[in-house]
Amino acid sequence: QMHLVDSGGGVVQPGGSLRLSCAASGFIFRSFGMHWVRQAPGKGLEWVAVIWDDGSQKYYSESVKGRFTVSRDNANNILYLQMNSLRVEDTALYFCATAAVRGENYWGQGISVTVSS
Amino acid sequence: SYELTQAPSVSVSPGQTARITCSGDALPRKYVYWFQQKSGQAPVLVIYEDNKRPSGIPERFSAFSSGTMATLTVSGAQVEDEADYYCYSTDTNRGIFGGGTRLTVL
Repeated sequence: QMHLVDSGGGVVQPGGSLRLSCAASGFIFRSFGMHWVRQAPGKGLEWVAVIWDDGSQKYYSESVKGRFTVSRDNANNILYLQMNSLRVEDTALYFCATAAVRGENYWGQGISVTVSS
Repeated sequence: SYELTQAPSVSVSPGQTARITCSGDALPRKYVYWFQQKSGQAPVLVIYEDNKRPSGIPERFSAFSSGTMATLTVSGAQVEDEADYYCYSTDTNRGIFGGGTRLTVL
């Protein structure tokens, strides 16, 4: 059974930091590029970042570039999102997701991040 | 910045055909993916690479892309198809979602 389990969310003040984790199981994690996607309350999906299967390339949305860093540990099947200089507008449900490879695509359950003073 | 444009809502009666469109200037050069998101759940991939259906997705879901427009068709929509649908594509290695279309089946 394929699983992605997100963790690490919570409430943080503006300017603070959080690190999200996404633990993968049931599939060959190192074969998939991995994405972070977020969804603000009552809003649509927003793509945040991608990291290639081997970690060699990383790309970010303009809204988080320079503040967020995506990384992965292929030995332990874990994806990370380090979020610094958090803003109120970063408040959202954050999902990790695999790239869609030949129709295979898995999503975590989502983890809540609230940035508030 | 590059955008994908979707109509906010589409409404059909059960058994009718629903068509959800997505427009974007780069679509002639990039694959489109479609995701279904039901309330309180993670998204589910229903179409990949313009028109391919993943294993387990009902045949009533189909899609095509022509020029700057991509269309997701739900033939004989069921009540359980009521959800938000998002198109997704890429631009210079960055992902982009459309704003989403709420499909109401009633």
